[in-house]
Amino acid sequence: NAGVTQTPKFRILKIGQSMTLQCTQDMNHNYMYWYRQDPGMGLKLIYYSVGAGITDKGEVPNGYNVSRSTTEDFPLRLELAAPSQTSVYFCASSYGSGYEQYFGPGTRLTVT
Amino acid sequence: GQQLNQSPQSMFIQEGEDVSMNCTSSSIFNTWLWYKQDPGEGPVLLIALYKAGELTSNGRLTAQFGITRKDSFLNISASIPSDVGIYFCAGTYKYIFGTGTRLKVLA
Repeated sequence: NAGVTQTPKFRILKIGQSMTLQCTQDMNHNYMYWYRQDPGMGLKLIYYSVGAGITDKGEVPNGYNVSRSTTEDFPLRLELAAPSQTSVYFCASSYGSGYEQYFGPGTRLTVT
Repeated sequence: GQQLNQSPQSMFIQEGEDVSMNCTSSSIFNTWLWYKQDPGEGPVLLIALYKAGELTSNGRLTAQFGITRKDSFLNISASIPSDVGIYFCAGTYKYIFGTGTRLKVLA
């Protein structure tokens, strides 16, 4: 039981490039989330999903897209990378609303 | 939008001291969660609170769900060096996290 896994661990992008951050959970959780954490700050919700095929915006969705075709996977897409997207990205999952969130190890992204 | 304010922002304490931190919201929450984040890691749940007035312990940690449902408190007793890290509160409406309390323990 690996929990929540994220790839890659680190990535450097040039301005304007695109990439997909991968997130997979093996706990059969319905809810999945993407957060970003800027240096010295708390976590801000980007997008979340309450089940396969259902996604919704969080606090800071601009510049990102998500999809949820399966229960296990919740990829985050950056289409036109900007320096403001330099951050650490965490994926999380939970059984449902109000339940404990399990976090992945994070992806550290730098856009230069 | 929703905001969770944590205080203090950071604290340095001596090993063995007790620690108190709190989290306040501009809105009511039905659930309060307290997480700890170690450097380079994702947050890990410490305590979950589901009812106003609830007091819950987990080893040396004790957390309370405020009666107004707009605040929560976390206490750590007899701190040890491995308590160092960032402590976050979180509310489950829109899955919002607080700004964090950075704890450093001096041996």
